[in-house]
Amino acid sequence: EDKVVQSPLSLVVHEGDTVTLNCSYEVTNFRSLLWYKQEKKAPTFLFMLTSSGIEKKSGRLSSILDKKELFSILNITATQTGDSAIYLCAVRPNNDMRFGAGTRLTVKP
Amino acid sequence: NAGVMQNPRHLVRRRGQEARLRCSPMKGHSHVYWYRQLPEEGLKFMVYLQKENIIDESGMPKERFSAEFPKEGPSILRIQQVVRGDSAAYFCASSPGQGPLGEQFFGPGTRLTVL
Repeated sequence: EDKVVQSPLSLVVHEGDTVTLNCSYEVTNFRSLLWYKQEKKAPTFLFMLTSSGIEKKSGRLSSILDKKELFSILNITATQTGDSAIYLCAVRPNNDMRFGAGTRLTVKP
Repeated sequence: NAGVMQNPRHLVRRRGQEARLRCSPMKGHSHVYWYRQLPEEGLKFMVYLQKENIIDESGMPKERFSAEFPKEGPSILRIQQVVRGDSAAYFCASSPGQGPLGEQFFGPGTRLTVL
């Protein structure tokens, strides 16, 4: 059975801290891994990763995939209160996406 | 270019009633996906449709739930004889084409509450 496991489930930090969110997966037919940020409504797309070892970067966020060890990390540096959200990891085996339970990040001022 | 649209945004039903959730994909997108998010849980895939075809419904409950994406009009997720356990946020996503590498764009969701 396909499985996507995120850790930690929740995290509380202070502004300026750096955080690392983890996503490990077991799927029968891996194609891509995606990270989403979900605030009060729809998830918004952050990154899509298909190749191992290539870091994707967008401002203070970055992500990397390790297809040998079957995991990905999402880093956020110099966190701000606006980063508070649920961060979802999803793996696309084929037509659909398998989501992890998410990491709830709270950034305190 | 409007994003994925869902309506209603909030829906309240009593046990035993029917719920109809609508999703209009982004312009030019012909692939629609439905997900359910239960409180404190991640998103769970329900069904993947193209126009007039159900491609993958492996995540749909076997009873009471159905989905369609007609040639004209929005995709509809229909829940018959709702129960309290159906209370959740239902998200629709669309993508421009088939293929595992494409990202999906999410709508704002419909929050269903069953009294």
